[in-house]
Amino acid sequence: NAGVTQTPKFRVLKTGQSMTLLCAQDMNHEYMYWYRQDPGMGLRLIHYSVGEGTTAKGEVPDGYNVSRLKKQNFLLGLESAAPSQTSVYFCASSFTGPDTQYFGPGTRLTVL
Amino acid sequence: AQSVTQLDSHVSVSEGTPVLLRCNYSSSYSPSLFWYVQHPNKGLQLLLKYTSAATLVKGINGFEAEFKKSETSFHLTKPSAHMSDAAEYFCVVRLTGGFKTIFGAGTRLFVKA
Repeated sequence: NAGVTQTPKFRVLKTGQSMTLLCAQDMNHEYMYWYRQDPGMGLRLIHYSVGEGTTAKGEVPDGYNVSRLKKQNFLLGLESAAPSQTSVYFCASSFTGPDTQYFGPGTRLTVL
Repeated sequence: AQSVTQLDSHVSVSEGTPVLLRCNYSSSYSPSLFWYVQHPNKGLQLLLKYTSAATLVKGINGFEAEFKKSETSFHLTKPSAHMSDAAEYFCVVRLTGGFKTIFGAGTRLFVKA
C-alpha cells in the first residue's frame, strides 16, 4: 500500500515551458487535491476533485489546469510556467469529504 | 470570513519539557479545526482534529489540543517533547460542512538534547 505518490520529486523549468505533475493514490479515495506551499504562507488549495471526471477551482487556480480521468490519478498541468509558480506542490486525497487528508511527499518545482 | 493565525513562527524546547504551539482562528460559524505535522522533506500528516465533539482532542504521538470557543483558540500541547517531534506544525480551519480549508503559516518546533 503506497498511499499517495507524486511524480516527479524535483523539476526545473524555464519560463514558458509546460509540464504535468502526476498524483496517484491506491486507497480508493474519492477526493483528491493539489496544494502549493510557499515559505511563510502555509498551504493553499489550487484545484480539487470530488470524484472521477470532476474538478473544481480552489483558492489559487490561475495558471494551472487539472484532470481526473481515473479515480486513482489526479494530474496538475502548467501550460506556460512562470517564476511565480516556483513552489513545492503537494497532492492529497481523502475518502469522503476534506477531513483526514493523506498527503504525498511533494514535488519541488523551480521556474527560471 | 475564516482565518487562522499561528502565533509563533519558531518554538524551541529541550527534550523532556512541555510543548505549546499556539493557534487562534476566526470563523463566522462553527469551525472544524485540525493540526498537521510535516517532517523535513515529507508530506503532511494529520495529528488530530476537532469537529464539534469533545473540546479536548487527543491525537497521535501524545499530542492533544483544546478547543476554546471563548478565546477562539486551538493550542497544541504535549507533556514531554521528544527529539522526533522536531518538525513543522500547521493549524488548519475549515467551516463545518464546507470545503474551503485555511492553513496557518506554520510553527517550526526545535527540540534540543
